[in-house]
Amino acid sequence: AQKVTQAQTEISVVEKEDVTLDCVYETRDTTYYLFWYKQPPSGELVFLIRRNSFDEQNEISGRYSWNFQKSTSSFNFTITASQVVDSAVYFCALSEAGDYKLSFGAGTTVTVRA
Amino acid sequence: EAGVAQSPRYKIIEKRQSVAFWCNPISGHATLYWYQQILGQGPKLLIQFQNNGVVDDSQLPKDRFSAERLKGVDSTLKIQPAKLEDSAVYLCASSPRQGVFTGELFFGEGSRLTVL
Repeated sequence: AQKVTQAQTEISVVEKEDVTLDCVYETRDTTYYLFWYKQPPSGELVFLIRRNSFDEQNEISGRYSWNFQKSTSSFNFTITASQVVDSAVYFCALSEAGDYKLSFGAGTTVTVRA
Repeated sequence: EAGVAQSPRYKIIEKRQSVAFWCNPISGHATLYWYQQILGQGPKLLIQFQNNGVVDDSQLPKDRFSAERLKGVDSTLKIQPAKLEDSAVYLCASSPRQGVFTGELFFGEGSRLTVL
């Protein structure tokens, strides 16, 4: 069964616009971890952020921010004031407690135009 | 610090041929993963090693795929015989010892396989 759903396949914006990526997850565990990874054209996935299931506080880190809502099983990610270098595929991922592995969504391709 | 190294970067083979991919994880990382990423999809875990032992290979097609991690360092993933649907990027990733899992996996650039 699909554990992580990213409904948006592609998003295209003009530089300096904000971009919000949606992620919906499914798990029966009460303790789990959610992640966002970035995959630039080079192909190497890069870790961006992590959130624990027991901490719903939303945070901002530089131009990145995230909105974690347990009630709707959503973990959305926002890039503020997008730049061309933000063009990449972004993956949401889930790790259930104790299994030490990631289940990835299908990814959202973000294109930032100058 | 050197990252995760993978080779070859690209490989083209005919169906029913065999292929092997090599991965050298970050020094000291006990956990090693092989993921398969088909075009347009997210990475799917094939196998997970903790040192040189297999933790999870439930999604590895064992009739044609095999993997080993000798001495708990380098790893090799083999496909024999290859099928058209094996065309994908094979990603290797590593992370520090299991007791301090943070979810931050360090990925290599991947090995792109095309099966004709």
